[in-house]
Amino acid sequence: EDQVTQSPEALRLQEGESSSLNCSYTVSGLRGLFWYRQDPGKGPEFLFTLYSAGEEKEKERLKATLTKKESFLHITAPKPEDSATYLCAVQGGSNYQLIWGAGTKLIIKP
Amino acid sequence: NAGVTQTPKFQVLKTGQSMTLQCAQDMNHNSMYWYRQDPGMGLRLIYYSASEGTTDKGEVPNGYNVSRLNKREFSLRLESAAPSQTSVYFCASTSGQGLNSPLHFGNGTRLTVT
Repeated sequence: EDQVTQSPEALRLQEGESSSLNCSYTVSGLRGLFWYRQDPGKGPEFLFTLYSAGEEKEKERLKATLTKKESFLHITAPKPEDSATYLCAVQGGSNYQLIWGAGTKLIIKP
Repeated sequence: NAGVTQTPKFQVLKTGQSMTLQCAQDMNHNSMYWYRQDPGMGLRLIYYSASEGTTDKGEVPNGYNVSRLNKREFSLRLESAAPSQTSVYFCASTSGQGLNSPLHFGNGTRLTVT
């Protein structure tokens, strides 16, 4: 069964304290892995798409990486405005529909 | 541009009542989706419409119906609401079904069924 697991469920960091969020997946024939950001009371907002193992994408303080079993979202020197829930989703096989993880709630304290 | 607009933002229903959640997008997207989001779970697909005139079931379609009214609008109807349908509902759209077409989401409808 296709599955996406994100860890940790919640992460509290001090401003400037770098860390990583994990998204592990089991899917037959990965077509793409997606990262979204969700602010409270809002819909998810697209961040990155990764297509194959070894690929990396960067945006400001965020860098996403991909292996054959998991993806990491690295956050470098975070600021309070980076506080949000980060969602991971995969698309696999012949099914175009996404399988979503439950998300990691990131809190950055000033 | 408004993007994806959902109405209402909040709704409280009693068990057995019916309602329609409205969604409209102004990005000329072909595909539209309805998801529900529950605490501790990933987004789950209820129904989708790959193009105007077509609709298909997703992972959790029971208790729901949809209508793709035109290219812009995609509505979700609860015919007889149940407490298990208490959730946050998100509408999303995309220009295609491929990997290069990220989803654009509305800000959700928060539904409580008592």
